[in-house]
Amino acid sequence: DAEITQSPRHKITETGRQVTLACHQTWNHNNMFWYRQDLGHGLRLIHYSYGVQDTNKGEVSDGYSVSRSNTEDLPLTLESAASSQTSVYFCASSESAGVDTEAFFGQGTRLTVV
Amino acid sequence: AQSVTQLDSQVPVFEEAPVELRCNYSSSVSVYLFWYVQYPNQGLQLLLKYLSGSTLVKGINGFEAEFNKSQTSFHLRKPSVHISDTAEYFCAVRRSNTGKLIFGQGTTLQVKP
Repeated sequence: DAEITQSPRHKITETGRQVTLACHQTWNHNNMFWYRQDLGHGLRLIHYSYGVQDTNKGEVSDGYSVSRSNTEDLPLTLESAASSQTSVYFCASSESAGVDTEAFFGQGTRLTVV
Repeated sequence: AQSVTQLDSQVPVFEEAPVELRCNYSSSVSVYLFWYVQYPNQGLQLLLKYLSGSTLVKGINGFEAEFNKSQTSFHLRKPSVHISDTAEYFCAVRRSNTGKLIFGQGTTLQVKP
């Protein structure tokens, strides 16, 4: 079955280190999204992509970057990890930007920056 | 700008009781509304969605929601909850043709025996 997977599921890193979170989907979806989930804020959009070589900033993009070199993957990089980036990160994908298109979510990566 | 407000951060309820999780949105344009559920240590799963047509939408696991344009609300309801419904519930709005979802803060439903 097609799926969307995130790795690692848990990560502890030190302040100032570069960290990359992986997201891989096997649906061949064009659209991919990264969200962070924090208590009291719900899910907030970090970056998104509508296709290969396309990337866009979301509402909380500072300190994060993404690249889209193929359809299946959208890795999220924290250039210099900060304690404020301790969060649970979710990747999602959808087939198109149509309003009725369902978005599928990965199981999340819990990142702790110490 | 669009935004979503979930009015309750936590809703405790006894098993087999009815429940309503409240969601209000703000938008100056047509909206498309969704409810997602997140079980412990899992990703988000679509419960139901409103795109157009009938304002009463039925979803999985016995949940339903009613779109009320005049009150800009999309409240989620279930007539009789089970222990297994204990989870985090998110209301979301999608901008037309962008694919981006804007989420509310989430409501934790705690079903007690």
